Amino acid sequence: GNSVTQMEGPVTLSEEAFLTINCTYTATGYPSLFWYVQYPGEGLQLLLKATKADDKGSNKGFEATYRKETTSFHLEKGSVQVSDSAVYFCALSGNAGGTSYGKLTFGQGTILTVHP
Amino acid sequence: ETGVTQSPTHLIKTRGQQVTLRCSSQSGHNTVSWYQQALGQGPQFIFQYYREEENGRGNFPPRFSGLQFPNYSSELNVNALELDDSALYLCASTGGASSYNEQFFGPGTRLTVL
Repeated sequence: GNSVTQMEGPVTLSEEAFLTINCTYTATGYPSLFWYVQYPGEGLQLLLKATKADDKGSNKGFEATYRKETTSFHLEKGSVQVSDSAVYFCALSGNAGGTSYGKLTFGQGTILTVHP
Repeated sequence: ETGVTQSPTHLIKTRGQQVTLRCSSQSGHNTVSWYQQALGQGPQFIFQYYREEENGRGNFPPRFSGLQFPNYSSELNVNALELDDSALYLCASTGGASSYNEQFFGPGTRLTVL
């Protein structure tokens, strides 16, 4: 079945530091890949997505590139802010036509804390 | 455009009881998915409803059941509650003009089972 593995956290950084959160996946075919963010006390918000190999998703300074050869979708940001403190989830959805299309499989989440 | 809403926000039940959680999908969306997020974990897919029919189910026992109504709102019912059912229950909707792969989440219902 599908699975997503995120780097074990939590991650603590100083403001303006570089962020990388690793994500690897197992799935058949060509899944779509996502990063969701969950701020304290809130639901999930889609941060970025990529639907095919070599696509780069980007939003709010965050980027992630769909690497089929390494089955990875690592999240990066060049300069984090205190307001980026949240829990980040990597997720996948199976390819169109498959039974897992439109159903998300999530990683365990990575807690990011950014200090001033 | 109204986003996904869920009710209630918080709920406390005792073991063995039954609970019903509600979700209103985003305008124009015909598909609703439910997820369980235990504390410190990623969300786990429970099931999905498309046009009032179940369209896929995760690894959850039959005491987790659902409904979708003609207006595409949905209910999640859990019978014979167990302590391990304590979690944040998230509803997500998609469909219509949105990419089927892009799901919009509600704020969740926090269920505590004592």
